[in-house]
Amino acid sequence: DAGVTQSPTHLIKTRGQQVTLRCSPKSGHDTVSWYQQALGQGPQFIFQYYEEEERQRGNFPDRFSGHQFPNYSSELNVNALLLGDSALYLCASTKAGRGSTDTQYFGPGTRLTVL
Amino acid sequence: AQSVAQPEDQVNVAEGNPLTVKCTYSVSGNPYLFWYVQYPNRGLQFLLKYITGDNLVKGSYGFEAEFNKSQTSFHLKKPSALVSDSALYFCAVRDPNTNAGKSTFGDGTTLTVKP
Repeated sequence: DAGVTQSPTHLIKTRGQQVTLRCSPKSGHDTVSWYQQALGQGPQFIFQYYEEEERQRGNFPDRFSGHQFPNYSSELNVNALLLGDSALYLCASTKAGRGSTDTQYFGPGTRLTVL
Repeated sequence: AQSVAQPEDQVNVAEGNPLTVKCTYSVSGNPYLFWYVQYPNRGLQFLLKYITGDNLVKGSYGFEAEFNKSQTSFHLKKPSALVSDSALYFCAVRDPNTNAGKSTFGDGTTLTVKP
């Protein structure tokens, strides 16, 4: 049973560029959440996708956008990169439903460095 | 709004001694609480969760956590620490009235177990 996978593992970009990160959820999961983990901090919720729509969003600017495909995989796009966007980007998957007790399972993350 | 506090940035224990990593939370209603562990350059691994029922929850690798509603705490414990337990530990909370996946994390506690 494959867990959550993410690609690429590492990425280096320059300020102003755009980046796309990819995630495949754990088998049987239909909800994907993205988190940003800056150095020395806990993960911060960016947004969540379910049924190909953004369902919840954290306190992140519109430069951060995403997409979910019919097979439940997801992309995170960040436009006009800033130095402060350098972080580990984590994808987590779970099963949908208000009150769901299902655990979130995390991928290994993508390390983004903005120069 | 929900929040998590991990009051200790670092916890040091000797191998074989009991360990405790502290977590307090704030959320409306009854919380869902989680502990995750993160090894260097890796994603988060699920350890255990509290949803309802017995206040003492047992999880992976011999870890357990005690839910205390009156103190709004969810401390992680292990009776006998191993050097391999050295890692970064995160506590997370989710409001069960929200959709699965949007969790709020603490800033983490670095556990160091010395031989």
